[in-house]
Amino acid sequence: DGGITQSPKYLFRKEGQNVTLSCEQNLNHDAMYWYRQDPGQGLRLIYYSQIVNDFQKGDIAEGYSVSREKKESFPLTVTSAQKNPTAFYLCASSIIRGGAYEQYFGPGTRLTVT
Amino acid sequence: GENVEQHPSTLSVQEGDSAVIKCTYSDSASNYFPWYKQELGKRPQLIIDIRSNVGEKKDQRIAVTLNKTAKHFSLHITETQPEDSAVYFCAASKNDMRFGAGTRLTVKP
Repeated sequence: DGGITQSPKYLFRKEGQNVTLSCEQNLNHDAMYWYRQDPGQGLRLIYYSQIVNDFQKGDIAEGYSVSREKKESFPLTVTSAQKNPTAFYLCASSIIRGGAYEQYFGPGTRLTVT
Repeated sequence: GENVEQHPSTLSVQEGDSAVIKCTYSDSASNYFPWYKQELGKRPQLIIDIRSNVGEKKDQRIAVTLNKTAKHFSLHITETQPEDSAVYFCAASKNDMRFGAGTRLTVKP
């Protein structure tokens, strides 16, 4: 999982501003994912992409947008429409091995919106 | 879609004891069941996984069992150590992945 990078580690924004979180991987993984984690909670799927130029909504896609123009990159934009954007955001990528998607996580970005 | 339930939410054991965390899933098409360990402020780390064609897998002090008929799987940690203290997440996957809510394990020295 050292081949998945997220930047920055901490991000502060004012309410009403859009913000884009970066996720890059050099593992040649086909699939990439974005999760949101709130304090003391599990991971909730925001969006995922299994191939370039294609992505699907997860369970909590409202107020978020993504793009997948390159295999290595899957940026997440948190828009002003997201009512409670403060959270820990985790990007992941996966490789298909034995018919299963083995998933590995980036270090995360902690977003604080005030 | 897939729904994963995880129990217990917190677990406290004495060093050297065993710890067991259980998960159930809803989608019989899920074929991959990983377990992640997350330390405070860090990323989840894959510690062990099992595929649907296997009933049990062991790696040193940790083991996972899968009962496809009952749609549940469990993580077993033996001879627990203080460094095992963390939050553990189970997950179930076919094309995407759904996570349980997590178990906070505390190992008391």
